[in-house]
Amino acid sequence: AQTVTQSQPEMSVQEAETVTLSCTYDTSENNYYLFWYKQPPSRQMILVIRQEAYKQQNATENRFSVNFQKAAKSFSLKISDSQLGDTAMYFCAFMKHSGGSEKLVFGKGTKLTVNP
Amino acid sequence: EAQVTQNPRYLITVTGKKLTVTCSQNMNHEYMSWYRQDPGLGLRQIYYSMNVEVTDKGDVPEGYKVSRKEKRNFPLILESPSPNQTSLYFCASSRFDFNGQFFGPGTRLTVL
Repeated sequence: AQTVTQSQPEMSVQEAETVTLSCTYDTSENNYYLFWYKQPPSRQMILVIRQEAYKQQNATENRFSVNFQKAAKSFSLKISDSQLGDTAMYFCAFMKHSGGSEKLVFGKGTKLTVNP
Repeated sequence: EAQVTQNPRYLITVTGKKLTVTCSQNMNHEYMSWYRQDPGLGLRQIYYSMNVEVTDKGDVPEGYKVSRKEKRNFPLILESPSPNQTSLYFCASSRFDFNGQFFGPGTRLTVL
C-alpha cells in the first residue's frame, strides 16, 4: 500500500521569506500523480500544485514550486515571498494512475503559519 | 459557477439512525470521491467512483455505502451511524486527467 509522510507537523515563516515543506512517499508504482493541497481556517480544500510522475520538469504555479525527486520518492513544496494568506494546513497526496484504481492517499499535513 | 455542493453542512444525529449526505457537481466530472478528515490523521478516502455505476473502496469504507446512478451525484450513506464516524466529510470531483480535484465545503457530522 502507498504511504505519504509529512515529517514537519508545524512550521512558521516570516512574511516575504521562502519556506519549504517536505513530503516523502512510498510506492512501487511507476505511473502516478502527486499533489499539494492547502486547507485554510475556512476548511476549504484547495489544490495548490500537481505533478505527473513521468514528467521530469518540476511543476510551478506562481509563488509555489515543487522539487520532485522520483528516485528518492520526495516531493517538497517551496513557497516564495510568503504571504499572510498562505497560513494554512498543507497536505501532500499521492494517486496511483492505473486505469481503474485511482485511490488518493494523503499525508497527515503540515501546519504553516506566516508571521507578519 | 463550477462547484461541488454538499448537504447538509452540519448534522448531529444519534447512533443507529440512518442518514445520507448528498454530493453534487456541475462540471460533468467523471471521478468523484468521499473523504473523512480527523485530527492528526489527515484525509482518508472512503469510496470513489470512476463513472456512473462504477464505485470502489478507498482506505476506510467500513460502515459506509455509496451509489452513482447519475454522473453529477454521489451520495454517502451511513446505514447505522456510530460515534466513531463523527468526523468532517468532504466530497470531491475531477476529470480523468486529475488536473485539479474540486472539493465541496465539507459536512461536519456528530454521532451521539
